[in-house]
Amino acid sequence: EIVLTQSPGTLSLSPGERATLSCRASQSVSGSHLAWYQQKPGQAPSLIIYDASNRATGIPDRFSGSGSGTDFTLTISRLEPEDFAVYYCQQYANSLWTFGQGTKVEIK
Amino acid sequence: EVQLVESGGGLVQPGGSLRLSCAASGFTFSDYWMHWVRQAPGKGPVWVSRLNSDGSTTNYADSVKGRFTISRDNAKSTLYLQMNSLRAEDTAVYYCAKRSQGGGYYDYWGQGTLVTVSS
Repeated sequence: EIVLTQSPGTLSLSPGERATLSCRASQSVSGSHLAWYQQKPGQAPSLIIYDASNRATGIPDRFSGSGSGTDFTLTISRLEPEDFAVYYCQQYANSLWTFGQGTKVEIK
Repeated sequence: EVQLVESGGGLVQPGGSLRLSCAASGFTFSDYWMHWVRQAPGKGPVWVSRLNSDGSTTNYADSVKGRFTISRDNAKSTLYLQMNSLRAEDTAVYYCAKRSQGGGYYDYWGQGTLVTVSS
């Protein structure tokens, strides 16, 4: 099982600031088969990034993903009020898909 | 518009059973793998089970193997999860999720249904 560790647990930032979220895998994620999801309170997760760096349909370009192997990053270039939420990474490189524990981006 | 609508959650005693349903619309249901993912309060999502497009191949997380059964009715565009021998640790919001055509990520999720296992 690939364990995904996200950091930091909580990120306190102001609107307009840059957010950098990390997702580290316990072993290499082949094919960069990693996705990022956003979850707001009381809602289901929603796809933001797939294959490490591809934005999902309708996702604004302030969201970007990068990385390969064991280290992946989600960057939000300028936080908008609607971006404050919890973000999860997920790997689908092998048959047992796993998620990270999440990073909460909160308003400072 | 793709829609996934779960139902069937509720309060059940330990050892009891529940059957979750997920009604799909807005896409050709019979073309896609479908999954169940659960999320305990305050925790990250956890994959539970998956089923291929024609219902012939199933996989389960070790934590539910032998207790949960995933199935589908393509004529009704509906996914099911039969949950038996429920335990307190099965308490979670259960989501059905559509696997993307191109990869292993989930491009659509339902709104979830809460399962609470408690005496």
